[in-house]
Amino acid sequence: EVQLVQSGAEVKKPGDSLKISCKGSGYTFTSYWIGWVRQMPGKGLEWMGIIYPGDSNTRYSPSFQGQVVISADKSIGTTYLQWSSLKASDSAMYYCASTYSSSGWDYWGQGTVVTVSS
Amino acid sequence: DIQMTQSPSSLSASVGDRVTITCRASQVIGNDLGWYQQKPGKAPKRLIYAASSLQSGVPSRFSGSGSGTEFTLTISSLQPEDFATYYCLQHNSYPWTFGQGTKVEIK
Repeated sequence: EVQLVQSGAEVKKPGDSLKISCKGSGYTFTSYWIGWVRQMPGKGLEWMGIIYPGDSNTRYSPSFQGQVVISADKSIGTTYLQWSSLKASDSAMYYCASTYSSSGWDYWGQGTVVTVSS
Repeated sequence: DIQMTQSPSSLSASVGDRVTITCRASQVIGNDLGWYQQKPGKAPKRLIYAASSLQSGVPSRFSGSGSGTEFTLTISSLQPEDFATYYCLQHNSYPWTFGQGTKVEIK
């Protein structure tokens, strides 16, 4: 069974750093792109960026370029989303997802809530 | 970036109604479009991929159509479990972009 399992909820202060994770299992991790999606409270879905774990090729939305870093450790089948200095406006639910437009391949993590508050 | 304009932003409908949601792309995206359903507190679930292909396990009352710049999601007979928010997502070029969402509420 294909699964993407995300790390647990985080509560941080402004200026803190943070790295959340998404572990893939049940498939060849290095062969499928994995992206990250933000959902702010009561708002819509925003595509942040995507990584190909096989070679760490990464693409970012301009809205998130320079604000976050997406990385992967293929040795442990895990993708990461990282902030160096959190802001209150980073408070949101974050989903990882592996999805292809031309096939039925579409798998999502359960989401990680990040709360940034002083 | 490709902008996805989704309409309406919300709608009220009754069980059994036929519901149509539209997404318009700011440039041609072929059929690189998916439709997602999201219920509160849950991850999105894809209903349609490649604009018109039904995701495995999704009821046949859901259908998608369109190509190029105009796309439609249709629910042929709305069921109680279909009350949710729906999003389109274009995969044609980076950055991928979602529509703003359509909240389907009970009339």
